[in-house]
Amino acid sequence: AQSVTQLDSHVSVSEGTPVLLRCNYSSSYSPSLFWYVQHPNKGLQLLLKYTSAATLVKGINGFEAEFKKSETSFHLTKPSAHMSDAAEYFCVVSDDLDNQGGKLIFGQGTELSVKP
Amino acid sequence: DAMVIQNPRYQVTQFGKPVTLSCSQTLNHNVMYWYQQKSSQAPKLLFHYYDKDFNNEADTPDNFQSRRPNTSFCFLDIRSPGLGDAAMYLCATSRDRDRRIYEQYFGPGTRLTVT
Repeated sequence: AQSVTQLDSHVSVSEGTPVLLRCNYSSSYSPSLFWYVQHPNKGLQLLLKYTSAATLVKGINGFEAEFKKSETSFHLTKPSAHMSDAAEYFCVVSDDLDNQGGKLIFGQGTELSVKP
Repeated sequence: DAMVIQNPRYQVTQFGKPVTLSCSQTLNHNVMYWYQQKSSQAPKLLFHYYDKDFNNEADTPDNFQSRRPNTSFCFLDIRSPGLGDAAMYLCATSRDRDRRIYEQYFGPGTRLTVT
């Protein structure tokens, strides 16, 4: 079964400093992995996705993530945090089912705070 | 712009009074999902439609039902809301072809309050 673990429930950074949100996954085969962001009282927005192409994936708003199979990790990074990055971030793995439709398996979420 | 739309954004209902939440999409995706998200938690899948085929999660209470009259619309019906059903309800869509999983696109959500 697929699973994903976000190693930090809360991360706090200062504006202009790097962001690192950590995610480890468990999968019996090559997974599809995603990072979603959720601002307060909003829906989830896709930041980036990995689907067995390039291991370094670039997303929106300057975020990127690197798929490391040997470490079963998919950490999210950004060189310089902005105040608008403050939000909840979810690391997600897809579960390719034999039956119809696909399921997303969510991590517990990491709340990112950005200090001025 | 192609998108997922949820109405209303905020819904207040009384304990035990049926309520319907709606979702529409202009992405022409064949799969639609309903999630329940409680405060500080990850979204929890309630059920999904693959085309017209309904797929219920094993732990989704019978109190929750869904309808998908056409490709574009999907409804979530809560037959007798309890206080524990107060949550954000998220609709999502994806295209699923050849059993390959594609990313899901989420609507803005409906915040349900039960009084």
